[in-house]
Amino acid sequence: DVKVTQSSRYLVKRTGEKVFLECVQDMDHENMFWYRQDPGLGLRLIYFSYDVKMKEKGDIPEGYSVSREKKERFSLILESASTNQTSMYLCASSSPGRINEKLLFGSGTQLSVL
Amino acid sequence: DQQVKQNSPSLSVQEGRISILNCDYTNSMFDYFLWYKKYPAEGPTFLISISSIKDKNEDGRFTVFLNKSAKHLSLHIVPSQPGDSAVYFCAASAPSNTGKLIFGQGTTLQVKP
Repeated sequence: DVKVTQSSRYLVKRTGEKVFLECVQDMDHENMFWYRQDPGLGLRLIYFSYDVKMKEKGDIPEGYSVSREKKERFSLILESASTNQTSMYLCASSSPGRINEKLLFGSGTQLSVL
Repeated sequence: DQQVKQNSPSLSVQEGRISILNCDYTNSMFDYFLWYKKYPAEGPTFLISISSIKDKNEDGRFTVFLNKSAKHLSLHIVPSQPGDSAVYFCAASAPSNTGKLIFGQGTTLQVKP
């Protein structure tokens, strides 16, 4: 059963901590994405990657960075966590091409920054 | 600047009735639209999509309608079932940003038995 796996379902961190959110997909997808979901705001794109070692900023990249050293793994990094980064973080992957724009999502990581 | 808008945060319908979820967009370059469904503590799952060359796409109980002139799409669920209770997101993409989806705020649907 193909899937996108996010390493943690729940995380609690302190303000100022460096936080790593890990995502692994087993579908050999080229594209990987990080979104955050907040009530009333929907899903907003943070960063995405079309290939290994490449990355592009999404709509809200401030305060985040990413790493894609291997095709199957896409990591989201909060350099210095702040309370306004408390959110549900969703990783997704897809194959390239217009007909494959259906994203496959992981189950999400609920991050609380205290 | 919200390019994809779902103006109804919530909707409640009776089991067996029709559920209609609405979505508006502002970017005329969008040419592919999708609906996702999300249960609590799970990631969104793809439901149905439509290309701008069509005005309707149907899959079982789910039908999506696209009105390009009004920049409006809607998802119809007939008949609605309690298991359809979830948050529904519409999403859109343009040829210039292949693979990148812009999502709306979501509508929480509650189907009452």
